[in-house]
Formats: sequence, C-alpha cells, structure tokens
Amino acid sequence: SAVISQKPSRDICQRGTSLTIQCQVDSQVTMMFWYRQQPGQSLTLIATANQGSEATYESGFVIDKFPISRPNLTFSTLTVSNMSPEDSSIYLCSVEEMGGTGTSLYNEQFFGPGTRLTVL
Amino acid sequence: LAKTTQPISMDSYEGQEVNITCSHNNIATNDYITWYQQFPSQGPRFIIQGYKTKVTNEVASLFIPADRKSSTLSLPRVSLSDTAVYYCLVGDSRAGYKLIFGSGTRLLVRP
Repeated sequence: SAVISQKPSRDICQRGTSLTIQCQVDSQVTMMFWYRQQPGQSLTLIATANQGSEATYESGFVIDKFPISRPNLTFSTLTVSNMSPEDSSIYLCSVEEMGGTGTSLYNEQFFGPGTRLTVL
Repeated sequence: LAKTTQPISMDSYEGQEVNITCSHNNIATNDYITWYQQFPSQGPRFIIQGYKTKVTNEVASLFIPADRKSSTLSLPRVSLSDTAVYYCLVGDSRAGYKLIFGSGTRLLVRP
C-alpha cells in the first residue's frame, strides 16, 4: 500500500497570504487527488492531478485559487492562494492503487495525514 | 454520480455486531460500492468494496441485495477502537474513479 506524507502538518497563516502544501508518495502513481475537509464536515474533492497535464478541478474550485503542480509521479503540491478565514480546513492528498488479488481486484485510495490550515 | 444516504450517527457497545445501511437508489451499472473509515485527525482508510451479493474480508462484510439500491456494512464484535466515521461511496471503479464523500455515519462504541 502507498505511504503518503504531507508537509506542513499544520500551519497558521495570515489573511491574504498563500501556502503551498506538499504531498509525497513512496511509489509512482498516475492519479493524485486533493481534498478539503472543513471542521466536523465530510471531505470535498478539490481537483484531480495527473502527471504531465493540467489538474481537473471540481465545481466550486478554480485554478487561480488552488493552483496545483504535478512535476513527477511521486509528488504534487497544492497552493491555497490569497487566503481568508474561510479557507481554514484540513487539506488531504490521496493516491489511487489497485488492491486485491486474482479476480477480486478493486481500486483503493490511500490518504495522507492531512495539513491542518488555520487562517487568521 | 450516485448519491448516498446513511444514518448520521449510531451507538453500539463493545462486542456487538454493527450494521450500517446505505441507500443509493441511482447506482449505475458500472458503479461499485466502497466503504471508508475515518478516525479523528487522520485521512480516510479503505475498508471494503463490492459490486453485488456479499463480500467479506478480515475486518468487515458488505451485503448488497440484488437490486443494488442499498448496501449494509457489517462490523462483527466492535471494540472501542472502531469508533469512527464510516463513509459509503458509489462510483465507477475503473481508473480515475473520483471519490465523492457523503456525510458519513458517526459510530460511537461504548464500553
């Protein structure tokens, strides 16, 4: 199973600044995903990042606000730009791998530990 | 994408079997049903996935009736450490499957 690390684990930022979150995987993966989870809420998919192409953003999320880089098959970054207190959240990256054996195969996503962002 | 509906919360006691039912009336032919578990301050963790009938692994069973409009996650003999949020998701299990999380079910296991 993939092992994912994120940096920073947490940060407190001022309004109007930007923060770049790094996601590192211990194996090469095609698909990487970025999620946001606001306090006490479920996860919301921000975008899907494939290596060598532009990220695909979900409704309500735009590249200017959440630029994503995917320079290789083991690394991605998400930048939260021009932050406001409403951006305070946990940001998680995940990767997709095939699990199971034989005829019992399934796609499984592995999540990083998350980055807890507080914007003052 | 199919929408799922789960109970917001459930309570149980140690040693009991817990069944969490999820409804997904608009599930498509290519959709699989997947359950994830999330502990506080951690990312979700895959529990089980199935397409029809019954799937069992070392931690849970998944029961899916013939019409596939609902599914039930069964956790045998829960312990305090099973206290978590459980998410039911449906979607195409081919590569690039985007996970769309619903509200989940908060399970509290009491001693």
